[in-house]
Amino acid sequence: GAGVSQSPRYKVAKRGQDVALRCDPISGHVSLFWYQQALGQGPEFLTYFQNEAQLDKSGLPSDRFFAERPEGSVSTLKIQRTQQEDSAVYLCASSFDRGQPQHFGDGTRLSIL
Amino acid sequence: AQSVTQLGSHVSVSEGALVLLRCNYSSSVPPYLFWYVQYPNQGLQLLLKYTSAATLVKGINGFEAEFKKSETSFHLTKPSAHMSDAAEYFCAVSHTDSGGGADGLTFGKGTHLIIQP
Repeated sequence: GAGVSQSPRYKVAKRGQDVALRCDPISGHVSLFWYQQALGQGPEFLTYFQNEAQLDKSGLPSDRFFAERPEGSVSTLKIQRTQQEDSAVYLCASSFDRGQPQHFGDGTRLSIL
Repeated sequence: AQSVTQLGSHVSVSEGALVLLRCNYSSSVPPYLFWYVQYPNQGLQLLLKYTSAATLVKGINGFEAEFKKSETSFHLTKPSAHMSDAAEYFCAVSHTDSGGGADGLTFGKGTHLIIQP
């Protein structure tokens, strides 16, 4: 069966540009998570959706980061006015419901020049 | 607040030897604990999870972990290392919200496991 799909796999942008990262969760999974993984570090929680509701966005580092999941399926993480410190791998994960194991995509590697 | 500490950013063992990766956690409520493995340029794959049932948890690929509340530890072991075990390993604790659900994960910094032939 299909796993969590993220696109693009690699994204290079110039500082100041806006970027959008897409996540297709496993079909039927209610919960969706975004994480940021800096080089050589563990993933850090950004935000969490239950269906279309964003229940926790405490990990978003600034107001330049915005995530949405309008129909409770596909999610987009948008970063405005990118900065070099935004360079990282952005991981998306989904789970069948709250408290169930999270299944991760392969991530989007974002490089800001 | 919850946190995870993984002792040793790199661990090297010989093929066939015991693998021991250490993880200590802090949590103000009973935790959900997880071990994930990450291969280069890939996402994370769940090895095993502890959710307050048995304290000894068996996972995939021959790995297991033991929850020790008195030591606040959840160390990962495998009796005999294989070359294919070389990867990055992450311990994680759930970000339990006030409603009791297990939501976002808090990860340790990871341990890079090296297998010597």
